[in-house]
Amino acid sequence: EAGVAQSPRYKIIEKRQSVAFWCNPISGHATLYWYQQILGQGPKLLIQFQNNGVVDDSQLPKDRFSAERLKGVDSTLKIQPAKLEDSAVYLCASSFGPGELFFGEGSRLTVL
Amino acid sequence: GQQLNQSPQSMFIQEGEDVSMNCTSSSIFNTWLWYKQDPGEGPVLLIALYKAGELTSNGRLTAQFGITRKDSFLNISASIPSDVGIYFCAGRAGGTSYGKLTFGQGTILTVHP
Repeated sequence: EAGVAQSPRYKIIEKRQSVAFWCNPISGHATLYWYQQILGQGPKLLIQFQNNGVVDDSQLPKDRFSAERLKGVDSTLKIQPAKLEDSAVYLCASSFGPGELFFGEGSRLTVL
Repeated sequence: GQQLNQSPQSMFIQEGEDVSMNCTSSSIFNTWLWYKQDPGEGPVLLIALYKAGELTSNGRLTAQFGITRKDSFLNISASIPSDVGIYFCAGRAGGTSYGKLTFGQGTILTVHP
């Protein structure tokens, strides 16, 4: 069974530029999550989708971050404009129900 | 918001030793999950716990869901070099936060051969 796919693995941009990350969850998983993991910290939930709908985006900085999950499968997370403090690994995860989350390898963002 | 305190922050042990780490919460959780993360990779699920008092093993790993539902423990027996990594606890409450998983800060494990 294929795992959670993410791209790109690495991205380096300058502050005020924009960036987008893509995620393809495990087939059949209705719930999709985007987490931000800053170096030395645990993952922090940015947004959670249940099919097409947003379940929780309380910690998403909506002035610069946006995410969508069209057709209830793939998802895209965008940052515009990026700030230095956005340097982190962006992890996508999916789950079948209220059970275990399965993570992708992450997309490492460096903002210069 | 929910907060998890994970300890210790780091451990340096000799190969063959046993390891214990724990996580405490300021609120009650219905699910506890333990993950391991290797450098440059996403977290990988080790053990999932769904009932207070539950004790679950996965090879050399054993985890327990605390009776108070505010804590969980992970033990690794007879450590080996490949156990090196960062271990995260994660908890999920029910109700309006259904599905939202909160992570601890992680325990960095170093195993000396």
